[in-house]
Amino acid sequence: NAGVTQTPKFQVLKTGQSMTLQCAQDMNHEYMSWYRQDPGMGLRLIHYSVGAGITDQGEVPNGYNVSRSTTEDFPLRLLSAAPSQTSVYFCASSYSTGAGNTIYFGEGSWLTVV
Amino acid sequence: RKEVEQDPGPFNVPEGATVAFNCTYSNSASQSFFWYRQDCRKEPKLLMSVYSSGNEDGRFTAQLNRASQYISLLIRDSKLSDSATYLCVVNRNLLDSNYQLIWGAGTKLIIKP
Repeated sequence: NAGVTQTPKFQVLKTGQSMTLQCAQDMNHEYMSWYRQDPGMGLRLIHYSVGAGITDQGEVPNGYNVSRSTTEDFPLRLLSAAPSQTSVYFCASSYSTGAGNTIYFGEGSWLTVV
Repeated sequence: RKEVEQDPGPFNVPEGATVAFNCTYSNSASQSFFWYRQDCRKEPKLLMSVYSSGNEDGRFTAQLNRASQYISLLIRDSKLSDSATYLCVVNRNLLDSNYQLIWGAGTKLIIKP
């Protein structure tokens, strides 16, 4: 029952460093996405993918890249970390894009940029 | 005005009590509504969808009021395990897709023994 697995759980970066948050799902879901969650704010969509080879920008894409080479994997890359990217990041997937499809989340990655 | 607004709480409620909280949304075209539950330092999990006719799942009842543009969640006979943050989720427009969802900041509920 792995579901959505994301790593690392915790990471501290220095300003300007790059890193990749890994995300994998074993439910054969078409739709995958990355969110960030900041205090006092709702989840905000960073990037999403409706299938292998297809990605698109969400609400807050600047400073992040994604790729979807397989159905299972959807890594999120921080290109040059900034303190404003300190946040909790959640990878998520659902069977398809329809809003009635339950979204399943990974356990979260706590990122601090100093 | 935020697209989705929730009272952040916390709501401090004695065990066994009934508690209700609302979530207002700004877009009258919104079609899909959900409540997710998020435990402290955990991921959100779907609690229930909200249907036009209202729906009930055990001790939880969700209602939609389109005229006043809000959804509500009522928890009866509250348990200590109900302590969590409840996230209201609304789709942004008629394009009823998961990438058009707006997430509220959540209402924190604390059930006290």
